[in-house]
Parts: sequence; structure tokens; C-alpha cells
Amino acid sequence: DGGITQSPKYLFRKEGQNVTLSCEQNLNHDAMYWYRQDPGQGLRLIYYSQIVNDFQKGDIAEGYSVSREKKESFPLTVTSAQKNPTAFYLCASRPHKDSPEKLFFGSGTQLSVL
Amino acid sequence: AQTVTQSQPEMSVQEAETVTLSCTYDTSESDYYLFWYKQPPSRQMILVIRQEAYKQQNATENRFSVNFQKAAKSFSLKISDSQLGDAAMYFCAYRSAWNNNAGNMLTFGGGTRLMVKP
Repeated sequence: DGGITQSPKYLFRKEGQNVTLSCEQNLNHDAMYWYRQDPGQGLRLIYYSQIVNDFQKGDIAEGYSVSREKKESFPLTVTSAQKNPTAFYLCASRPHKDSPEKLFFGSGTQLSVL
Repeated sequence: AQTVTQSQPEMSVQEAETVTLSCTYDTSESDYYLFWYKQPPSRQMILVIRQEAYKQQNATENRFSVNFQKAAKSFSLKISDSQLGDAAMYFCAYRSAWNNNAGNMLTFGGGTRLMVKP
């Protein structure tokens, strides 16, 4: 079945450690997005990519990095520079021809700090 | 910058009854879009309904309808004949109509958790 797969479902980070969240889609979508969800704050955009080998910062990119080497994959690295990484992270994608709000979402990764 | 506010952190409704979720927003733009998304326990966000600001007619999708008051910058969601499967987090969102990088970005409210009582 076509969809977006995020892994792992739960992730724990130690102080000073970088961790990478995986996002894979087999929908042949051009654009991919990473959102952070905190309680009571809704979703905030971290990074997005509209084509392979290109990506742009969102509203809260500091402390995060991404790559887009393949159309299907858009991994997010939470670096040690992100001082408050505990949150729920959602990946999304959409075809270019569709309106920006017609996003397909994954089931998310809950990141916690040990 | 645009902001979206959902003032009700939690709401509850009896099965088969009607509930209204509130959303207000702030913008200086005249052309934009508003949305309601549903996040069920699976946590995959789903687009529920869409409203264009230039349209006076309120959008409707089956049991879901909106009350769009442009002058008041209010965009509420009404769910009729509530079902157990409607229990979820609901997010209001805004998008500029301008086709630029900012236009690709959605601004979300903080969410309202809806509980449905059997």
C-alpha cells in the first residue's frame, strides 16, 4: 500500500547526542515536510523540500538538519544544538500539482530526552 | 505574521448530538485559505474541510460544516450527528493565497481535543 512510513515510533536521546528520524514515502510525491508538534502549540514547520537535493528552512529550523538525496526519503537529524528536542515529529508529503494543504502525513515519531 | 488561536483545549459531545469548535485568526491579508484538520489516535493528520476567504458561502463536507465570519476573523467547525469515530484532536489552520514560499506554509492553531460520549 502507498503511504508514508516514519520510524522509529519512539526514540530516546541522550544529552549531546544527534539522532536521526526516518521518513520514507512510496507515493511518488515531490514535496516533503517535517513538522514538530508540542502540546497546545499545534504544528510548526521545521524544514521542507520541494525537489531532490533542495530544501528550505521552516519556522523553527535551528538545531535541526535534513537531506533529500532521494525522492522517497527525507530524514531529519535532531542535533545536540536543539536544546528542547522532546516533541512529537510528523513527516508529510504531497505532489506538486496539489494544493499545499493536501498533505499526506505519517504516524509520527515521539522523541524524548533521557 | 499570521496567528491562529483555538481557545478550547477540550470539548465533549454526546453521540448523535452537534458540537462546534472555535477558531480565530489574525492576518492583514485579504486573500487566504482556512482549514480544519483531524488527528485521530493514530496521529495521522487528515484534512477535513477547506474554505476560501473570497467565498461567502460556508464550506460543507457531509456532517462537517464551517461558520466563516471574515470580518470577525472567525472560523468555527460544526460537527453534526457526532459519532464515536469523531473523537480526535482538531486543528484549525491558515494559508496565504500568495504563491510564494510563505504561501506554501500552513499556520496551525494549538488544537482542540474532542471527546465523544456514547
